[in-house]
This record gives sequence, C-alpha cells and structure tokens, in this order.
Amino acid sequence: KQEVTQIPAALSVPEGENLVLNCSFTDSAIYNLQWFRQDPGKGLTSLLLIQSSQREQTSGRLNASLDKSSGRSTLYIAASQPGDSATYLCAALSGYSTLTFGKGTMLLVSP
Amino acid sequence: GAVVSQHPSWVICKSGTSVKIECRSLDFQATTMFWYRQFPKQSLMLMATSNEGSKATYEQGVEKDKFLINHASLTLSTLTVTSAHPEDSSFYICSAILAGISYEQYFGPGTRLTVT
Repeated sequence: KQEVTQIPAALSVPEGENLVLNCSFTDSAIYNLQWFRQDPGKGLTSLLLIQSSQREQTSGRLNASLDKSSGRSTLYIAASQPGDSATYLCAALSGYSTLTFGKGTMLLVSP
Repeated sequence: GAVVSQHPSWVICKSGTSVKIECRSLDFQATTMFWYRQFPKQSLMLMATSNEGSKATYEQGVEKDKFLINHASLTLSTLTVTSAHPEDSSFYICSAILAGISYEQYFGPGTRLTVT
C-alpha cells in the first residue's frame, strides 16, 4: 500500500526566502506525482504534475522535481510571498486512479 | 476547462438526518468520479470510486450503506450521507477524470458538512 509522507509538517518563513518542501512515497511504481495547494476551508488547486518519465516541472516561481528510484519529490518555491501561505499537498498516482495524499505542509510566509 | 463543481459548499444538518452532496463536471464528461473525506489537519482519504452506470467501489472501512453514491450520468455523481452523526462532520471533496484523456483528477471545491 502506497504511503506518502511530507516534511516538514509546518514551516514559517519571512517573505523573500526560497524554500523546499519534501515529499516521499514508499512505492516507486507511480504514474505521476502531483503537488496541490489548499487554502483554509477550500478545495485543492493543482500546482504541478510530474509524469513518471519526467524529472521536473516548472511554473513561475515553483519548481517540482521527481526521483522515482528514491521515492522522493521536492517542491521549490522561490522568493516566497505572503500570498503563498497555504497548505501544500503532494499526491502519488498508482494504478489506474489511486491517488494517495500526504498530510501536507502548512506554510506561513510573513511580511 | 476541466471544471468540477460541488453543491452545497457547506451544510449543517441534525443528527439522524440524511444529506446529499452533488458533484458535477461542468465542461467535460467524467466516466469516473472519486469521493474523498478530509478531517481537520489530516490528508484527503479516498472513500469511494464512482463509475457512470455501475455500482461504486468503496475503500476498506467505508460503510457503503451509510455513504450512498450514485453516478447516474457522465456529469453528475451524488454522495448521500444517511443517518448522519457528529463524527461524520468533515470536508468532502470530489474529483473527476476526463474520460479517455488522462489519469489526472480534477477536484471540486469541497463541501463542509457539520452534523449537530
């Protein structure tokens, strides 16, 4: 059974810092790995999706990498802003449609 | 494109009553929809997979008689929480797969259920 772990559980940084969120998964047989953002009381916003054949994806200040063999993914946020404050979830897709989520990293960026 | 809506966005009901949550794919046909539950400060846990025109597949530990799922069309799936209890209070999120295109799931905005 796939298990997804995210470290750290919470992170507080001053505005402008670059930061890295970590995600690890136990079963490397994944189709893709996806990073989401969730604001309090809200649904999920998809940030980046990395196919199993890819090593990284970039969107603006966000860069996500994937190392299937080691079961790890990282989300890099450059020049963090207060608007980046949210919970970030990673999810690994196994089988046809089994999406397993981590518990998330709660990020607070202070002005 | 690929927008999923949920209705209602929040609902309060009394213990013992039933409540229905709708999940719609607005601009695409979804052969498969998924229902997740999220407790405070916890991750999303898959409850069931719903395929159009067939019975839903429930995850281990999810009571199928309590959480009734109907996927009557390619754009609508419903989750009915029957005889709700306070412990059913949670955030329910659905997602849908764009039929025949990819495995990427598109998520709805969620429904906050509070049972008093």
